[in-house]
Amino acid sequence: DQQVKQNSPSLSVQEGRISILNCDYTNSMFDYFLWYKKYPAEGPTFLISISSIKDKNEDGRFTVFLNKSAKHLSLHIVPSQPGDSAVYFCAGRGNKLVFGAGTILRVKS
Amino acid sequence: KAGVTQTPRYLIKTRGQQVTLSCSPISGHRSVSWYQQTPGQGLQFLFEYFSETQRNKGNFPGRFSGRQFSNSRSEMNVSTLELGDSALYLCASSLDGVGYTFGSGTRLTVV
Repeated sequence: DQQVKQNSPSLSVQEGRISILNCDYTNSMFDYFLWYKKYPAEGPTFLISISSIKDKNEDGRFTVFLNKSAKHLSLHIVPSQPGDSAVYFCAGRGNKLVFGAGTILRVKS
Repeated sequence: KAGVTQTPRYLIKTRGQQVTLSCSPISGHRSVSWYQQTPGQGLQFLFEYFSETQRNKGNFPGRFSGRQFSNSRSEMNVSTLELGDSALYLCASSLDGVGYTFGSGTRLTVV
């Protein structure tokens, strides 16, 4: 039962443009959603979170949008930089963190 | 402030053996969770410990077990290793149950 889905395995974006990473979920009981970034051979690094009672949270170049009626969230990175190239995981928090399969983001310079 | 420390970083084991992985959380964090990461599968939740008690368990066979000590350090054990157990095993600690800080993981290869 995949409660969190990231349907795009990879995304390629030009430096300076916007990157939009998407995530869908099925569990209405999640109270927080989190985004993590992961480089090879390292553990995931926390990026940004959003409470289920909010619809937007912004932190510098990163903004997360939550659409509860569609059970969809997205991470926007503006402007994208080559150092943003990594695997991005979204996660929903219920009684544990449930992760999606990840999206590989490549930012081309 | 030290982060989450996992040891060893790399491990090669033979099928049928057993293995123990260690995780030292951030000082003051009492929650420790374990995840398995395999290509294309994301991070699969194994279990979570809080104050030496298992609070949650994922859908893994009984060959996977864990424990937490009074200093919050945690170990996970996998017995009777199978080739499919080859993965990156990640540990995360949390103070508030919202922000989870991950270690760099232990890369287990079963041959």
